Amino acid sequence: ETVLTQPPGTLSLAPGERATLSCRASQSVSAGYLAWYQQKPGQAPRLLIYGASNRATGIPDRFSGSGSGTDFTLTISRLEPEDFAVYYCQQYFTSPWTFGQGTKVEIK
Amino acid sequence: EVQLVESGGGLVQPGGSLRLSCTASGFTFSDYYMDWVRQTPGKGLEWVGRSTNKADSYTTDYAASVKGRFTISRGDSQNSVYLQMSSLKTEDTAVYYCARVYYDFWSGPRHMDVWGKGTTVTVSS
Repeated sequence: ETVLTQPPGTLSLAPGERATLSCRASQSVSAGYLAWYQQKPGQAPRLLIYGASNRATGIPDRFSGSGSGTDFTLTISRLEPEDFAVYYCQQYFTSPWTFGQGTKVEIK
Repeated sequence: EVQLVESGGGLVQPGGSLRLSCTASGFTFSDYYMDWVRQTPGKGLEWVGRSTNKADSYTTDYAASVKGRFTISRGDSQNSVYLQMSSLKTEDTAVYYCARVYYDFWSGPRHMDVWGKGTTVTVSS
């Protein structure tokens, strides 16, 4: 099973700041079969990024994804108030499909 | 509007059974693979299982933690996918989501692009 690690567990940032979230895989996630999801309290996860770097429909361009192999990054260029949430990475290269434990982006 | 709505959650005793439903609208359900994912405070998001579509013979795949206890089926005429859960354990307590799997013609099943709001299952005596 591919284990995804998302350090740190919490990021404390102010609105307008840049957020850089990390996702590290225990084995290579080939061809960028990696997605990022945003989850707010009481809501379902929402797809942000797929294929490591492709924004999903309707996602603002302040969200970007990068990386390959075992190291992936989600960047939020300037945090808006609605961006404070939990972010999960997920690999869909090897079954079982696995998720990271999440990074909470909180208001500093 | 593309939508998934789960139902059937509730309180069940350890060893009991429960059937969850997920009803889709706004897209051609029969074309898509469908996943079940659960979320607990302690273990976060966990993929539970998948049903392929008719073209791929409705094959199923399960996480090791539920294999042999959970069964996924679907009724394309009802635009629905089901999760039959049996021999339930306290650790199965979670919010259960269904999710649509995006399918790329060249590379096959990919990410989960549409999620329902979830239904809560509590396993407790």
